[in-house]
Amino acid sequence: SAVISQKPSRDICQRGTSLTIQCQVDSQVTMMFWYRQQPGQSLTLIATANQGSEATYESGFVIDKFPISRPNLTFSTLTVSNMSPEDSSIYLCSVEGDTGELFFGEGSRLTVL
Amino acid sequence: AQSVSQHNHHVILSEAASLELGCNYSYGGTVNLFWYVQYPGQHLQLLLKYFSGDPLVKGIKGFEAEFIKSKFSFNLRKPSVQWSDTAEYFCAVNPYNNDMRFGAGTRLTVKP
Repeated sequence: SAVISQKPSRDICQRGTSLTIQCQVDSQVTMMFWYRQQPGQSLTLIATANQGSEATYESGFVIDKFPISRPNLTFSTLTVSNMSPEDSSIYLCSVEGDTGELFFGEGSRLTVL
Repeated sequence: AQSVSQHNHHVILSEAASLELGCNYSYGGTVNLFWYVQYPGQHLQLLLKYFSGDPLVKGIKGFEAEFIKSKFSFNLRKPSVQWSDTAEYFCAVNPYNNDMRFGAGTRLTVKP
């Protein structure tokens, strides 16, 4: 299993600002995944972050809005840019285990006023 | 569109009742199947998974799930629920060579 730590655990932000969420894993992993869980909804994959290459974004998500960094095999950041109330959500970092399951951080709960 | 469907949005049971949560998916070909649980205030945890072999898989805390290929289903079951099973349950499908896709989740409330 993997232990995943996310910061911040929650934040309240003003419209138009940006917030960077950090994800630290206790082991080296090739792929890290960023998910969004909007209130009352399921998890939606935002992007897949591979170390040493550009992140791969899912339909409906763009790099300008959700820039991702992956400087090494244990760390990634997701930035939510120019936030609006519609961005209020829980943002989850995850990594894949040896047998295909995902391990998740505790999430970062973002509220945009 | 390809999807993962969980039939029940909110299920309320009394302790000792039996539980079955439905999950259907629309992906063809080989898939890996998962159930995750999210207890209040905690992160998502894996309950059980199916890759191949015996279609009846057993997970932690007395949960099991049955893969029925002809029905594209992977229903979660527990014979006797406890108050501590109150949580949100997510079915997830990992189509071969693709990314994990989640159902909308089912909130289970167990009354003591």
